Amino acid sequence: SQTIHQWPATLVQPVGSPLSLECTVEGTSNPNLYWYRQAAGRGLQLLFYSVGIGQISSEVPQNLSASRPQDRQFILSSKKLLLSDSGFYLCAWSLQDRKGAFFGQGTRLTVV
Amino acid sequence: QKEVEQNSGPLSVPEGAIASLNCTYSDRGSQSFFWYRQYSGKSPELIMSIYSNGDKEDGRFTAQLNKASQYVSLLIRDSQPSDSATYLCAVQRGQAGTALIFGKGTTLSVSS
Repeated sequence: SQTIHQWPATLVQPVGSPLSLECTVEGTSNPNLYWYRQAAGRGLQLLFYSVGIGQISSEVPQNLSASRPQDRQFILSSKKLLLSDSGFYLCAWSLQDRKGAFFGQGTRLTVV
Repeated sequence: QKEVEQNSGPLSVPEGAIASLNCTYSDRGSQSFFWYRQYSGKSPELIMSIYSNGDKEDGRFTAQLNKASQYVSLLIRDSQPSDSATYLCAVQRGQAGTALIFGKGTTLSVSS
């Protein structure tokens, strides 16, 4: 069966510091991969999605970037965090069959 | 116009009642529609998917789709306190790609 790993679970970072969040999927190949952010009291905002290695689509222009160096690895990065980057970051995967996406446990990021 | 819209609630129903959650979407090319449940502090969990006009039933849950009206709904019969959560409507884009877009969610509270 497929599993998704996302870490760390919580993170407190100062303003201006870099960020790297990693997500890996096991038990499947060539998944679609997604990064979402959920700010307090708000819905899930799609940040990036990827349909294959090196193929990244950006939904929202901001100081975040994403990379997919391997088929089942998705990384979210920032060079300098802003206070507004605080939120619940969720990685998700889906197959090409368009039958929904499945989420990791999420990383709760607080920028101070 | 937002891609996926939901009433934020809260929606309050007594135990045993029917809860009705609604969602509208803007992309007429969308073909896949989903409902997720999210408990406070947790990641979303896929509970229903629907692809064709009409009703789809799974236990106490019924999803309804009307593509002409661009409308998706979720009915929860015999609501239980454990159903108290935020319910997210998600739509997979049609022509634009495979991105899965979420509404802001409706918070449901079931009182015993």
